[in-house]
Amino acid sequence: GAGVSQTPSNKVTEKGKYVELRCDPISGHTALYWYRQSLGQGPEFLIYFQGTGAADDSGLPNDRFFAVRPEGSVSTLKIQRTERGDSAVYLCASSLTGTYQETQYFGPGTRLLVL
Amino acid sequence: KQEVTQIPAALSVPEGENLVLNCSFTDSAIYNLQWFRQDPGKGLTSLLLIQSSQREQTSGRLNASLDKSSGRSTLYIAASQPGDSATYLCAVEYGNKLVFGAGTILRVKS
Repeated sequence: GAGVSQTPSNKVTEKGKYVELRCDPISGHTALYWYRQSLGQGPEFLIYFQGTGAADDSGLPNDRFFAVRPEGSVSTLKIQRTERGDSAVYLCASSLTGTYQETQYFGPGTRLLVL
Repeated sequence: KQEVTQIPAALSVPEGENLVLNCSFTDSAIYNLQWFRQDPGKGLTSLLLIQSSQREQTSGRLNASLDKSSGRSTLYIAASQPGDSATYLCAVEYGNKLVFGAGTILRVKS
């Protein structure tokens, strides 16, 4: 597609369950980013992929969060044992090469609600 | 700690007014600064990107300035329109990550 797409657009789950959120970056973009946006706040950085490898995962809040990008295109953010505090909009972005001073293009996000 | 602050948190203006949104950041070792627009239920749209070596960027009715030494940026919107109503986010790039402010919610009344 023309832009970054994310699925599902909304996800409701129960506390303790496992969830997977998917991101399809712009075709040809080697850099991919995940951010989390809580209500009334700006997005917070989670992880950055360059190709298949996680170049910076310093934003992942704890070991319940994990992300993969096995073929260097689609990425999946995985959350184990979800907690109510995980409720947020999860945003994915991509950029062409990941070099500094390059625009990141954002997807519409996945709204996660943990009951 | 790298922090970005935006003032005001919300702003309501009549159509046609010129307005200024403010952004400040604590760590001046930035690579660039971007202003984004966020509409409800949609992703972020990049409006302007100012490289660390630049002082300002312009696009149509939008003008963004950057003063790296003082840690400040402003987004100027001329002749505001109801279609400008959205949340405006300031983001500073450190390495490969963006650090965002909490945003300014703008409402332009017709």
